[in-house]
Amino acid sequence: DAKTTQPNSMESNEEEPVHLPCNHSTISGTDYIHWYRQLPSQGPEYVIHGLTSNVNNRMASLAIAEDRKSSTLILHRATLRDAAVYYCILRRTQGGSEKLVFGKGTKLTVNP
Amino acid sequence: GAVVSQHPSWVICKSGTSVKIECRSLDFQATTMFWYRQFPKQSLMLMATSNEGSKATYEQGVEKDKFLINHASLTLSTLTVTSAHPEDSSFYICSARRGRGNNEQFFGPGTRLTVL
Repeated sequence: DAKTTQPNSMESNEEEPVHLPCNHSTISGTDYIHWYRQLPSQGPEYVIHGLTSNVNNRMASLAIAEDRKSSTLILHRATLRDAAVYYCILRRTQGGSEKLVFGKGTKLTVNP
Repeated sequence: GAVVSQHPSWVICKSGTSVKIECRSLDFQATTMFWYRQFPKQSLMLMATSNEGSKATYEQGVEKDKFLINHASLTLSTLTVTSAHPEDSSFYICSARRGRGNNEQFFGPGTRLTVL
């Protein structure tokens, strides 16, 4: 499984935008970039995913570099409920088992 | 989004006993279910992948005779921790996916197992 690298932790203030980076220099052409988040003592929650183009949804935006070797999850206005561990995961769709393998993630702290 | 439930949400058992954890997809049919384990302050570790009606595929280092997985229907998978020991105490999380391809994966709320 291709590896991702994320900062261990980040801090933000409430109502400010947050940019969570992820490096994935060994990404292959068939790998989708997925983001999940996990609140304390809960199962992970899907946030967003993309392949090449930037993606927007109700929760966040995903900006993917042109060479696909990095991506950034953008929370436009952080709230206290966004405090969680955010996982960036590559998911292979051909020749692999299509399983999600979690790395260490980034722990996001949101200050009031 | 789709809902995945787990039962029980927590369980405490004595060393040497077996514990069964259920994972259900409530409003969709899950062709594939996954079981993860998470120790405190660590990330999720994939234990096994199960497809409905077939044997589970275990990740390297996970004992299949100790962690029995059954995926008998499209909405239910069970994980049985046999002869549990204190080192098996962990947060067990299941997830379910509708079909093959890059479909979204839905996670259950987790089951906290404590072995005394």
